[in-house]
Amino acid sequence: DIVMTQSPDSLAVSLGERATINCKSSQSVLYSSNNENYLAWYQQKPGQPPKLLISWASTRESGVPDRFSGSGSGTDFTLTISSLQAEDVAVYYCQQCYSNPRTFGQGTKVEIK
Amino acid sequence: EVQLVESGGGLVQPGRSLRLSCKISGFTFGEYPLTWVRQAPGKGLEWVGFIRSKTYGGTTEYAASVKGRFTISRDDSKSIAYLQMNSLRTDDTAMYYCIHDSTGYAYYFDYWGQGTLVTVSS
Repeated sequence: DIVMTQSPDSLAVSLGERATINCKSSQSVLYSSNNENYLAWYQQKPGQPPKLLISWASTRESGVPDRFSGSGSGTDFTLTISSLQAEDVAVYYCQQCYSNPRTFGQGTKVEIK
Repeated sequence: EVQLVESGGGLVQPGRSLRLSCKISGFTFGEYPLTWVRQAPGKGLEWVGFIRSKTYGGTTEYAASVKGRFTISRDDSKSIAYLQMNSLRTDDTAMYYCIHDSTGYAYYFDYWGQGTLVTVSS
């Protein structure tokens, strides 16, 4: 199984500042035949199901603000919130879909400093 | 509009069985896989498994933690998916979500139901 490890477990960022979340997979999730990384990021607010933010490691879903961006390849990935807003307070998860079982990171809680 | 509505959750004793349902609307269910993910109270997300469309054999994949106890099935004529849970344990207590993936390969979970809560306790 591919193990997904996020860091940090939590972070507090001032409004308007940058938030960076890292995700490391225990093996590469880059599929060589199409050069795609099978990696997604989700946002979950209290009492709600998760929301897909980014697929293919860096493709923002429709309607997701452009302050959210994904980067990385192979085994190391980053979700960046360029200017934290109050509505971004949530838990963020990475997930690999390179192989079964699909696996999630443990989550990173983002709060306002 | 894509909608998924889970039902069937509740309080159940350890060792007993429960069947969850996921009613789908807004897309042609038979053409897509259907995934289940669960979340224990205050914990992270755990992939449970998925069922492929009949085009891809309608086969299933499961997490090791539920394999042999849980079964995912589908009734395309009714646009309903099921999660049959047998030999339930206290650590199966969680919110269970059914999910549609518009890629068609159970890659990315872009449509989630609101979930149904399963509590396993004596």
